[in-house]
Amino acid sequence: GAGVSQSPRYKVAKRGQDVALRCDPISGHVSLFWYQQALGQGPEFLTYFQNEAQLDKSGLPSDRFFAERPEGSVSTLKIQRTQQEDSAVYLCASSSPETWAGEQYFGPGTRLTVT
Amino acid sequence: LAKTTQPISMDSYEGQEVNITCSHNNIATNDYITWYQQFPSQGPRFIIQGYKTKVTNEVASLFIPADRKSSTLSLPRVSLSDTAVYYCLVGDMRDDKIIFGKGTRLHILP
Repeated sequence: GAGVSQSPRYKVAKRGQDVALRCDPISGHVSLFWYQQALGQGPEFLTYFQNEAQLDKSGLPSDRFFAERPEGSVSTLKIQRTQQEDSAVYLCASSSPETWAGEQYFGPGTRLTVT
Repeated sequence: LAKTTQPISMDSYEGQEVNITCSHNNIATNDYITWYQQFPSQGPRFIIQGYKTKVTNEVASLFIPADRKSSTLSLPRVSLSDTAVYYCLVGDMRDDKIIFGKGTRLHILP
């Protein structure tokens, strides 16, 4: 079946631009997670949704980062006024109601480069 | 969330069995041990999960001693395509998130 998809796969933004990254989770997956992965590092948790409710946003690095999942399926991570330190791969993951947060299905990521 | 420690990198050869050990001294009673694999330009992929003793699936085996303060991921007869980063994570099923460390970069040589 279809896995988690993300778009775009690559995004180049000039410093100060706003960007929007999309995640399509596996159908029926209630939980959705966003991570940021810098080069050579492990993924770092950003935020978590259960259906449309954002239950944990403790990992968002600043108020320039905003995530939403209005209908409990597709999610968008928005970064306003991008900075060079925002350059990273942004990963989305989802998990089913029958499993816990430890068993997640990841998308391929969006590589964001801020110039 | 218990912290984990694992080697930064390992090299092995095709056809060998590879064992990656993870230390988690502060593991709690309700914590499970989970391993993920990540290939370049891909998201991490769940490999295996266990609580105690031994777990085996079609990809790997996970050995957990009685004190649960460490665990070993065993990959039988590796091939070049097993070159990846392997992450050990420890967490409670009631947690709403998981924490990745830096992982172990496994490089398989021909």
